[in-house]
Amino acid sequence: KAGVTQTPRYLIKTRGQQVTLSCSPISGHRSVSWYQQTPGQGLQFLFEYFSETQRNKGNFPGRFSGRQFSNSRSEMNVSTLELGDSALYLCASSLALRGTTAGGYTFGSGTRLTVV
Amino acid sequence: AQSVTQLGSHVSVSEGALVLLRCNYSSSVPPYLFWYVQYPNQGLQLLLKYTTGATLVKGINGFEAEFKKSETSFHLTKPSAHMSDAAEYFCAVSVTSGGSNYKLTFGKGTLLTVNP
Repeated sequence: KAGVTQTPRYLIKTRGQQVTLSCSPISGHRSVSWYQQTPGQGLQFLFEYFSETQRNKGNFPGRFSGRQFSNSRSEMNVSTLELGDSALYLCASSLALRGTTAGGYTFGSGTRLTVV
Repeated sequence: AQSVTQLGSHVSVSEGALVLLRCNYSSSVPPYLFWYVQYPNQGLQLLLKYTTGATLVKGINGFEAEFKKSETSFHLTKPSAHMSDAAEYFCAVSVTSGGSNYKLTFGKGTLLTVNP
């Protein structure tokens, strides 16, 4: 059973550019979440999608956006990149049975974004 | 809103010694609790979870944790540390009400070092 796949693994961008990260969840998982991990702030929740609908959003500026497709694959986009956006971006998928996270999330290996 | 506190950002043990990683949570409703492990340059791997039922939870790689509601704790233990246990460990909480559904709130993490 394939795990959560994130592409690309590494990315270097220049300030002011935009970036799109991709996440393919485990087959059958309809919930996809995104997290940002930095040394200073730790793991922070960005947003969660279920059946193409955003159900929850973290406290990030509007430059951070996402979407989910009908096949449950998800993308997140960061526009007008800032140096502080350098981080490991993790995607996680879940069965989300009965509308909860009781089943836990399976994480991908992440995309390491460096903004220069 | 829920929160997680991991006591000790760095824990060092000898190989074969007991591993104890501390986690306390704050939640106004019954929580779901998780422990994840992260190896360098990788994503998060679920070690174990508590949702309902038995308060002593066994996970992978010989780890276990006990949910103590009166102490709002969910400490992670392993009787005998192995060199391969060296990694960063994250405690996380999720709740199912109050608009905080569908996301994990993480502690700052504890880096475990195992000395030969």
